[in-house]
Amino acid sequence: NAGVTQTPKFQVLKTGQSMTLQCAQDMNHEYMSWYRQDPGMGLRLIHYSVGAGITDQGEVPNGYNVSRSTTEDFPLRLLSAAPSQTSVYFCASFDGNTGELFFGEGSRLTVL
Amino acid sequence: DAKTTQPNSMESNEEEPVHLPCNHSTISGTDYIHWYRQLPSQGPEYVIHGLTSNVNNRMASLAIAEDRKSSTLILHRATLRDAAVYYCILRDLMNYGGSQGNLIFGKGTKLSVKP
Repeated sequence: NAGVTQTPKFQVLKTGQSMTLQCAQDMNHEYMSWYRQDPGMGLRLIHYSVGAGITDQGEVPNGYNVSRSTTEDFPLRLLSAAPSQTSVYFCASFDGNTGELFFGEGSRLTVL
Repeated sequence: DAKTTQPNSMESNEEEPVHLPCNHSTISGTDYIHWYRQLPSQGPEYVIHGLTSNVNNRMASLAIAEDRKSSTLILHRATLRDAAVYYCILRDLMNYGGSQGNLIFGKGTKLSVKP
C-alpha cells in the first residue's frame, strides 16, 4: 500500500528560487494538509484542503501556495524561497471514518 | 482549541511497561483524545484514540480518566523501536466543514528506551 507519497525527499534551494513539493495519496481521502517541522518543534499546519477545488490557510501560510485539482494530489509551492523556510515538510491525508491522519515520510528542504 | 500538557521526556527500560501521561484540563465533551508517535526521521504515525472509555489496540492501550481531564498511553512492553516522540492531541468532533483533520501538534514527550 502506497499511502501518502511525497517527493522529493531532499532539496536544496537558493534564496529566491521557487519549487513545488509534491504529495499524492491513494486512499481516496477528501482531506489533505501540509505541515512543517522545525528542529525541536512540533508540527505546524501550513495549508489544508477539504476536497478538490477547496483550500484554506493553516497556522503558518505565508510564503506558500497550494491548489487541489484532484482528490489524489495536493502540491505545495514555494514562490520565492527564504532561509526561514528551511524545514522538514510533511503531507498528510485524513480518514474521516476512522479519525486517523496518515503522513508521508517528509521532504527535507534547505534554503541557502 | 483545548490544549494538552505532556512531560518533555521520559525514559524506560526495554521490555518494561511505559505510562505516558497527558493533561487536558480544558477538554470539551466533543473532544476525542488522539495519540500519535514520530520515530526518528519519519512522519508521525497514528497510535490510538478514544472519547470516554479505555481503548486497546495492537500497539497500545489508552486509559482515560473518569473526568476526562487526563489520559495515559500505555505501552505494555517497551521495545527499542518504541523510542520516539509521542504526541497527545485533542480533536473536536464538532469541527465541521471538513477541518477535523487540522490536528494541533505540541512538542510531545520524547521517550528513550534503554536496552
